[in-house]
Amino acid sequence: EAQVTQNPRYLITVTGKKLTVTCSQNMNHEYMSWYRQDPGLGLRQIYYSMNVEVTDKGDVPEGYKVSRKEKRNFPLILESPSPNQTSLYFCASKPRGGGENEKLFFGSGTQLSVL
Amino acid sequence: AQSVTQPDIHITVSEGASLELRCNYSYGATPYLFWYVQSPGQGLQLLLKYFSGDTLVQGIKGFEAEFKRSQSSFNLRKPSVHWSDAAEYFCAVGAYGGSQGNLIFGKGTKLSVKP
Repeated sequence: EAQVTQNPRYLITVTGKKLTVTCSQNMNHEYMSWYRQDPGLGLRQIYYSMNVEVTDKGDVPEGYKVSRKEKRNFPLILESPSPNQTSLYFCASKPRGGGENEKLFFGSGTQLSVL
Repeated sequence: AQSVTQPDIHITVSEGASLELRCNYSYGATPYLFWYVQSPGQGLQLLLKYFSGDTLVQGIKGFEAEFKRSQSSFNLRKPSVHWSDAAEYFCAVGAYGGSQGNLIFGKGTKLSVKP
């Protein structure tokens, strides 16, 4: 089954303790992206990647890191989490090429709470 | 700068009634336009998309949307709402032939359905 898999689904941590949220897709998509969703703010893009070893900042990259060493994986790293990073996070992917195939596939989300 | 406005934060309709969710966008070039739906605790699912051609597009679950360039709008409609349509709906705009998938999302409209 074609899917984007995020782990963990729920995470509670404390300020300053490094964490990684994993994202993996099995569709051989070139493009991957991370979003955070906050009430009243919709989805805001954190980072995106056009292909392996190619990453770029989105609208709200501060406090986050990403890497794209393999095509299928795009982990989100919080080196020193803070309470304002408490949010619902989504990973998404899509094939390159755009046009009629333009469609983002979303993971189920990771609810992160930073105490 | 690109932006998407969904004027209604929360809408309540009766089951069987018609629905229209509003979306206005600001984008300098020819846009890609999307509507996504997010059911509680779930990721986002694509309802429909517009790229070119017929300005009235049909989507899944009986939804349709009409692109009106003169009004910079892409409103979502459904003639008869079902209780299972209760969810949050997001409008998004993307670059035509451009950044290959960097979507700007609206802040969402939450739909409640009365029995």
